[in-house]
Amino acid sequence: RKEVEQDPGPFNVPEGATVAFNCTYSNSASQSFFWYRQDCRKEPKLLMSVYSSGNEDGRFTAQLNRASQYISLLIRDSKLSDSATYLCVVRSEQAGTALIFGKGTTLSVSS
Amino acid sequence: DAGITQSPRHKVTETGTPVTLRCHQTENHRYMYWYRQDPGHGLRLIHYSYGVKDTDKGEVSDGYSVSRSKTEDFLLTLESATSSQTSVYFCAISKGGDGYTFGSGTRLTVV
Repeated sequence: RKEVEQDPGPFNVPEGATVAFNCTYSNSASQSFFWYRQDCRKEPKLLMSVYSSGNEDGRFTAQLNRASQYISLLIRDSKLSDSATYLCVVRSEQAGTALIFGKGTTLSVSS
Repeated sequence: DAGITQSPRHKVTETGTPVTLRCHQTENHRYMYWYRQDPGHGLRLIHYSYGVKDTDKGEVSDGYSVSRSKTEDFLLTLESATSSQTSVYFCAISKGGDGYTFGSGTRLTVV
């Protein structure tokens, strides 16, 4: 079983839509969780960390359910500029606290 | 931005030749990582370093070696390049609890 699993999509939505991405992780000892964004042919960039209490950054809301080992990202009022691949990421306590990446979910927002 | 640069940005090499990719940081971070990214696999950890001359293997280390003789430089070497090593290689530095900052990547083609 892959350590971090995501639905690859693509998700095709119109501007203004609300879209949700889900992710599951297999290592119950994982301590830190993130969402990264990656634009085509660019490096991944940190979108937001994910905290147990849930957290929000503008139009983006992240949730963590440790019991179910489930992470989510909600994007409200989608913009054309939100089109990208969203990577679910978990920090492993082995391998020098290296980050373990999901394969990503592709979002395409159209006008 | 974050003071991490990769070189070269693009390289085409022949099967069987040695190749070295360089990652340079200007922020004195202890942890540095090399990942490769391939379609259908996402980002996978090759090697990482937790200090000068301190390195360890990641998930896909076969065929790769690394060296870190100075805090600022982390080198990835393909001793004898193969076509399966055609990929995009990303270097990253760990900035503590907030995940990583990635370099812009090196696109390597082995022909």
